[in-house]
Amino acid sequence: EAQVTQNPRYLITVTGKKLTVTCSQNMNHEYMSWYRQDPGLGLRQIYYSMNVEVTDKGDVPEGYKVSRKEKRNFPLILESPSPNQTSLYFCASWDSLNEQFFGPGTRLTVL
Amino acid sequence: DAKTTQPNSMESNEEEPVHLPCNHSTISGTDYIHWYRQLPSQGPEYVIHGLTSNVNNRMASLAIAEDRKSSTLILHRATLRDAAVYYCILRNSGNTPLVFGKGTRLSVIA
Repeated sequence: EAQVTQNPRYLITVTGKKLTVTCSQNMNHEYMSWYRQDPGLGLRQIYYSMNVEVTDKGDVPEGYKVSRKEKRNFPLILESPSPNQTSLYFCASWDSLNEQFFGPGTRLTVL
Repeated sequence: DAKTTQPNSMESNEEEPVHLPCNHSTISGTDYIHWYRQLPSQGPEYVIHGLTSNVNNRMASLAIAEDRKSSTLILHRATLRDAAVYYCILRNSGNTPLVFGKGTRLSVIA
């Protein structure tokens, strides 16, 4: 089954404690991205990747890092999380103009 | 990508057709019209997309105006499971992620 998986699905952490949210896709897609979704602000792009070792900033990249060492994986790293990064995070993958597949989401709370 | 305009919310009765409008008056000739929806507590999912001609799939139909300045997503028979936020998005390049607007929140009444 074609899918994008994210882990963990839920995470509560404290300010400053480094965390990584993993994202993996099994469709051999070239492109992957991360979004965050907040009430009233909708879905906003954080980072995206066009291929292995190629990444670019989205609209709200501050406080986040990403890496794309393998085609299937695109982890999101918060080196020093802060409460304003409390949000619902979605990973997505796609291949050119075809449909974009989304993961189930990771709900992060930073205390 | 060019901008789209959608109503904030719409309501439909169960088992009736739903027509969700989208205006995109600044659409360019190479912009594809994509529709996604987001069910409660889930990630967005693809619904349908088209360029110039009307399109049908198992989920919905997409009717595109002749001048391409507007389009309509048609759900032929709304069910409670169709209650979601529907996003109309223009896209002319597959190199960057989709840009989401506010979408239309569809409520389905039993």
